[in-house]
Amino acid sequence: AQTVTQSQPEMSVQEAETVTLSCTYDTSENNYYLFWYKQPPSRQMILVIRQEAYKQQNATENRFSVNFQKAAKSFSLKISDSQLGDTAMYFCAFILTYNNNDMRFGAGTRLTVKP
Amino acid sequence: DAGVTQSPTHLIKTRGQQVTLRCSPKSGHDTVSWYQQALGQGPQFIFQYYEEEERQRGNFPDRFSGHQFPNYSSELNVNALLLGDSALYLCASSLTIWAPETGELFFGEGSRLTVL
Repeated sequence: AQTVTQSQPEMSVQEAETVTLSCTYDTSENNYYLFWYKQPPSRQMILVIRQEAYKQQNATENRFSVNFQKAAKSFSLKISDSQLGDTAMYFCAFILTYNNNDMRFGAGTRLTVKP
Repeated sequence: DAGVTQSPTHLIKTRGQQVTLRCSPKSGHDTVSWYQQALGQGPQFIFQYYEEEERQRGNFPDRFSGHQFPNYSSELNVNALLLGDSALYLCASSLTIWAPETGELFFGEGSRLTVL
């Protein structure tokens, strides 16, 4: 079974600084995708960044980047130059390549950006 | 272009009652997935509908059922409500041939169900 673990229930960061959110996952499969989703108070899940397991290069999207360590089954999200609008719940998610109907989510990390 | 829309936004039911939640997918999408998000938890996959049929189901009892209409909209029905069914129910839409490397699941803002 595929599981996703986020060990940091809450984190905070000062505006303009950098913060890293942790995620580990467990699978015996080799082909999968990993995602970070943001859920602001509006409740709508918004895709932040994705990573293909077969790619060694870490994905980046503007101020967001990941540190993907396949052997360690670790997938952390780094947010640079944090902004007040980054305040939200962040969920790490996993999906198998051949079964992309059932996305597994972690329990989330609540990030607060302080002015 | 409207995204995924869900109704109602909030509702309160009592134990034993039945509830129906509705979802309209993003324009052009033909597949709808439902997720349950309990307080303080990540979303859990309930089931997915495509071509008006349930294509895949997560670990949820038969009290949870659904339907997809010819216009691709979908309903989630929960019978014999339990206190533990209190949660945010999220609908997500996608194209049938969803490429995880480029595609995206679009989520609605959810329906918050409270069971008393």
